Amino acid sequence: SQQGEEDPQALSIQEGENATMNCSYKTSINNLQWYRQNSGRGLVHLILIRSNEREKHSGRLRVTLDTSKKSSSLLITASRAADTASYFCATDANTGNQFYFGTGTSLTVIP
Amino acid sequence: ETGVTQSPTHLIKTRGQQVTLRCSSQSGHNTVSWYQQALGQGPQFIFQYYREEENGRGNFPPRFSGLQFPNYSSELNVNALELDDSALYLCASSLMGTSGVGAYFGPGTRLTVL
Repeated sequence: SQQGEEDPQALSIQEGENATMNCSYKTSINNLQWYRQNSGRGLVHLILIRSNEREKHSGRLRVTLDTSKKSSSLLITASRAADTASYFCATDANTGNQFYFGTGTSLTVIP
Repeated sequence: ETGVTQSPTHLIKTRGQQVTLRCSSQSGHNTVSWYQQALGQGPQFIFQYYREEENGRGNFPPRFSGLQFPNYSSELNVNALELDDSALYLCASSLMGTSGVGAYFGPGTRLTVL
């Protein structure tokens, strides 16, 4: 079974708008990572946040982590058509990169 | 593009058959993990190989087995294929002891079981 759930399942926005997606997980973690997947292809690592961090930025990406609520959010600012993809959160319970993925959010950015 | 390669790209098998999928890891990595991704779902962890031994397993039956070779490449074997085994199979390579730097995923093998 999946480790976590993501919300929303699907999101459609206009180019230039911000996109926010949320992830909830069930057990204690060492870190949480976000990945992007284009059209059923391989996963691309976007950003990692450790369990002792609350917020992290990378370019147009901002990730928050609330370990008390077992939840994380990914914000993509100033979205582009090329951001159209599925986004997954993945948790690692310090098992050496053995990830448990959420159900994913399908993002469509309309030019 | 990562340095992780997988073969074949696509594969069609019939129920009851056996299949072998292959993965070559990123240069400098010594660990390979395998994931199954059903259509519309997130990837599910099958198992991980490190130092040529299984180093963790998800909720998959024993008919899913694997190997890791001295050059760190890996195989996933599935026996007695079932229709529900139809999925995208992803491998990911990483360096043991570097939890927290992510893993590099290959492009996947699309398996269809008829």
